[in-house]
Amino acid sequence: KAGVTQTPRYLIKTRGQQVTLSCSPISGHRSVSWYQQTPGQGLQFLFEYFSETQRNKGNFPGRFSGRQFSNSRSEMNVSTLELGDSALYLCASSPTPGLAGGSYNEQFFGPGTRLTVL
Amino acid sequence: DQQVKQNSPSLSVQEGRISILNCDYTNSMFDYFLWYKKYPAEGPTFLISISSIKDKNEDGRFTVFLNKSAKHLSLHIVPSQPGDSAVYFCAFSSNTGKLIFGQGTTLQVKP
Repeated sequence: KAGVTQTPRYLIKTRGQQVTLSCSPISGHRSVSWYQQTPGQGLQFLFEYFSETQRNKGNFPGRFSGRQFSNSRSEMNVSTLELGDSALYLCASSPTPGLAGGSYNEQFFGPGTRLTVL
Repeated sequence: DQQVKQNSPSLSVQEGRISILNCDYTNSMFDYFLWYKKYPAEGPTFLISISSIKDKNEDGRFTVFLNKSAKHLSLHIVPSQPGDSAVYFCAFSSNTGKLIFGQGTTLQVKP
């Protein structure tokens, strides 16, 4: 079974530009979450999608948005890029969100997209 | 508002010894507590978890301890191996499935 794939793996943009990152979940997984990883901050939750609907949203400005398609693939968009947006953006998928049958639904992470804003 | 804190950014341990990684949290509503491991250029991978109704879970060399009264989570690795060198994140989940991660601790296991 193929893992979570993210494209592109590396991206360099300049301030003010916008960027779109893509995530393909594991086949059969319908929940996709996005995280931002920066040094010293760990992984910070951006948002979660399930069945094309945003279920949860983290504390990020409105410049960060996302969507999920009917095939469960997800994209996130960052508009008006700032230097502080430079980070590793990670996507994770799970069969369904949250708990299922009393067990935690493990999230499987992709390798991430390294975004550098100059 | 940091709900999760990993106070040690790094830890160095000799091969064969025990590694102890710690995590403190403030939110009493968490249902599940997890540890993820991350190698450079890879996404985090799930390591071990524990539900809020337990205080210990063991999987091979890895044991997770939960002290709810102290709001403290720890991961013990024994014996430590050089391949365990990675960044370790504790993470917490409510029943919505949203994960809240700590800042990470870089573990170095020296041969």
